[in-house]
Amino acid sequence: DTGVSQDPRHKITKRGQNVTFRCDPISEHNRLYWYRQTLGQGPEFLTYFQNEAQLEKSRLLSDRFSAERPKGSFSTLEIQRTEQGDSAMYLCASSHDRADTEAFFGQGTRLTVV
Amino acid sequence: SQKIEQNSEALNIQEGKTATLTCNYTNYSPAYLQWYRQDPGRGPVFLLLIRENEKEKRKERLKVTFDTTLKQSLFHITASQPADSATYLCALNTGGFKTIFGAGTRLFVKA
Repeated sequence: DTGVSQDPRHKITKRGQNVTFRCDPISEHNRLYWYRQTLGQGPEFLTYFQNEAQLEKSRLLSDRFSAERPKGSFSTLEIQRTEQGDSAMYLCASSHDRADTEAFFGQGTRLTVV
Repeated sequence: SQKIEQNSEALNIQEGKTATLTCNYTNYSPAYLQWYRQDPGRGPVFLLLIRENEKEKRKERLKVTFDTTLKQSLFHITASQPADSATYLCALNTGGFKTIFGAGTRLFVKA
């Protein structure tokens, strides 16, 4: 297993365009998380999946954001009608289904909205 | 409001010295606390986890303490090396699935 994989690593898009990011978690991990990180800040929680069920969405996630994990394996995060404020690093993490366990992060997708 | 505070200023130390990073929190009752390392342009990497009933945890040159009365965790790197230069993130979990991160402290170790 090569760890959590995210694609693409970098994305530059024009304001108003839609973008989609993909995350492939570690195969035996039930839990999958999306975080957003801006410069000088820690990762901010966006949403969480337990297998294919999306169990929580942060209020940071406006209606323009949607995430899926259709078969409980890979996940996608889509941002519609991108705005400059969406520019950030989007991080995906996965973990075992236990409370006291570490999360394994991917390398992130750096989004720049111009 | 709930808050996690880490030293916002960078920590500069000489190689071989012990680096001590602080994480303070308010209005949380964390079941456990984690420390992660993050290098520029990369995702965080897990280092240590300490539970609310544990006072101290060690792993090689790393040591974490957890004082639930002071609402504080200290993270120590002994015999620091230039390769330890990175941002270190404190993260809290209150027992559920959500982990809340601090903003991190940048550490620079000079040779």
